Amino acid sequence: QVQLQESGPGLVKPSETLSLTCTVSSGSISDYYWNWIRQPPGKGLEWIGYVFYSGDTDYNPSLKSRVTMSVDTSKGHFSLKLSSVTAADTAVYYCVRAYSSVGWFDPWGQGTLVTVSS
Amino acid sequence: DIQMTQSPSSLSASVGDRVTITCRASQKIGTYLNWYQQKPGKAPKLLIYVTSSLQSGVPSRFSGSGSGTDFTLTINSLQPEDFATYYCQQSYSTPYTFGQGTKVEIK
Repeated sequence: QVQLQESGPGLVKPSETLSLTCTVSSGSISDYYWNWIRQPPGKGLEWIGYVFYSGDTDYNPSLKSRVTMSVDTSKGHFSLKLSSVTAADTAVYYCVRAYSSVGWFDPWGQGTLVTVSS
Repeated sequence: DIQMTQSPSSLSASVGDRVTITCRASQKIGTYLNWYQQKPGKAPKLLIYVTSSLQSGVPSRFSGSGSGTDFTLTINSLQPEDFATYYCQQSYSTPYTFGQGTKVEIK
């Protein structure tokens, strides 16, 4: 059963870059779409974007200018960078697998809370 | 972007009740509609994909239906472990979008 685990700093200063990594274990990173989804405290879910195992990406236009995603198939992980963060970027960030570009999200990582504050 | 609107935003129900949650898309999305359950402090969990397919391990009291723009999640005989927030999500086109959530509370 594939498992996903997010890692990265829990506190980021305003205007800096948020960086997270998701490690994929007990499964292949090939042939899937690897997504990042976030959830501000007490609010709903927002899709940030995906990186395909080939390196192709698709980002939410609302965040596109600040987002970079990458994948390292040899290490079995993929990453998210979000630049110029503000307090509005404070959220639980989830890494999630999708089977295809029209697929559903499963499984999800446990999530990691990133707080933007000085 | 495709807007997803769930109703109601919250509901109170008793164990054993039948619960129905609706999700409306702002444009036709075929059957590319998925449902998730989220409990406090936990990641969402996939319940139903492509409108009506039950994810492995999910109890059969959960079911989904619909097509086009209108979709429904039904929980037959609500159990104590079903009290949670439910989200619909369209995977028809990016940016993928979610409904605002429906919180199912104990009456």
